[in-house]
Amino acid sequence: SQQGEEDPQALSIQEGENATMNCSYKTSINNLQWYRQNSGRGLVHLILIRSNEREKHSGRLRVTLDTSKKSSSLLITASRAADTASYFCYNYGQNFVFGPGTRLSVLP
Amino acid sequence: GAVVSQHPSRVICKSGTSVKIECRSLDFQATTMFWYRQFPKQSLMLMATSNEGSKATYEQGVEKDKFLINHASLTLSTLTVTSAHPEDSSFYICSATDRGAFHTGELFFGEGSRLTVL
Repeated sequence: SQQGEEDPQALSIQEGENATMNCSYKTSINNLQWYRQNSGRGLVHLILIRSNEREKHSGRLRVTLDTSKKSSSLLITASRAADTASYFCYNYGQNFVFGPGTRLSVLP
Repeated sequence: GAVVSQHPSRVICKSGTSVKIECRSLDFQATTMFWYRQFPKQSLMLMATSNEGSKATYEQGVEKDKFLINHASLTLSTLTVTSAHPEDSSFYICSATDRGAFHTGELFFGEGSRLTVL
């Protein structure tokens, strides 16, 4: 399978805590992207990290990439109830296939 | 940012009828459009990829005669579920790549269409 695999599949935290999600992939990458999906909605692009980058920040989001381990992580700091959603990683070059995602629940 | 409009957002139909879902790129030319199907609490399943002016490429196991895809222009793709049955009830999502952003492979998604077949 060429899809990315997110881990954990479900995560429940309290508001204000940090949430970390991991992604492993099998093929080489051009870039790796993270998307969020609120329940019953389409996916929204969050952040993109290129193969020659190791870390990237965007607001409360921090993404890391380890090409030697073929893995990436998404950190959401100071989580809010509005962050409750499913998160998917996407390897550009994996034929537009998505993994199972991580379902994040942020409890108030 | 690039916007993809998808409608209808919800549709209920009787078994045996056909339903058409539209996906439009509003402010960019979509090189390629994709159709996904999603079951509750599951990931997106890629159904087909369509390029403007050519036949769609269907994923293994997806019936091309059941799910008709037309990509007549660079801004419009349609998915028609023919002779719908209750098992076709699902959440269908389209996405598109922007010619200008093609080098990043970023996908722009519609809001999805929930189909319920009675």
